[in-house]
Amino acid sequence: DIRMTQSPASLSASLGETVNIECLASEDIYSDLAWYQQKPGKSPQLLIYNANSLQNGVPSRFSGSGSGTQYSLKINSLQSEDVATYFCQQYNNYRTFGGGTKLELK
Amino acid sequence: EVQLVESGGGLVQPGRSLKLSCAASGFTFSNYYMAWVRQAPTKGLEWVASITNSGGSTYYRDSVKGRFTISRDNAKSTLYLQMDSLRSEDTATYYCTRGIGTYYFDYWGQGVMVTVSS
Repeated sequence: DIRMTQSPASLSASLGETVNIECLASEDIYSDLAWYQQKPGKSPQLLIYNANSLQNGVPSRFSGSGSGTQYSLKINSLQSEDVATYFCQQYNNYRTFGGGTKLELK
Repeated sequence: EVQLVESGGGLVQPGRSLKLSCAASGFTFSNYYMAWVRQAPTKGLEWVASITNSGGSTYYRDSVKGRFTISRDNAKSTLYLQMDSLRSEDTATYYCTRGIGTYYFDYWGQGVMVTVSS
């Protein structure tokens, strides 16, 4: 199975700050990567697919990048509604998720 | 508006069975792959099973193969997950999801809790 390792596991950031979350795959996943946002007590929502394609309706302050085994999710100008846990998911070989990154406000 | 509404969860003893249902609306159900994804309490996400839009092919994670069965009724726009021989490690919130192929999941239900305990 392909293992997905997210970092950091948690982070604290201020409003307006830029945040980066990393996701490392145990082997090349050829950009077959999605990012999800899960707000407290809610179900996950798709943010990014194919590593860098923004899902309809998702604010443009979210962006994804990367290739090979290394990927990242960037949030520009952090807003209070961005407090959530973020998960990456690979779909190159079956489907596995990262362990999540919990984002809180400083 | 796409809606996925799960039902059928609850408390069940180890070794027993449970069947989850997911009523879909707001899109043409028969055009989409569907899947179940679960999340153990305070844990991460874990893909469980997927089914093609026709129901002709199904896919499972190794730990549920032979115990869980995913199925669908396109006439009723409903997805199912039959769970047999349940184990404590199956305890989780189960999400019904709409799949983009067997790849990623663009809509999620609110989730239904399954607790396996004696």
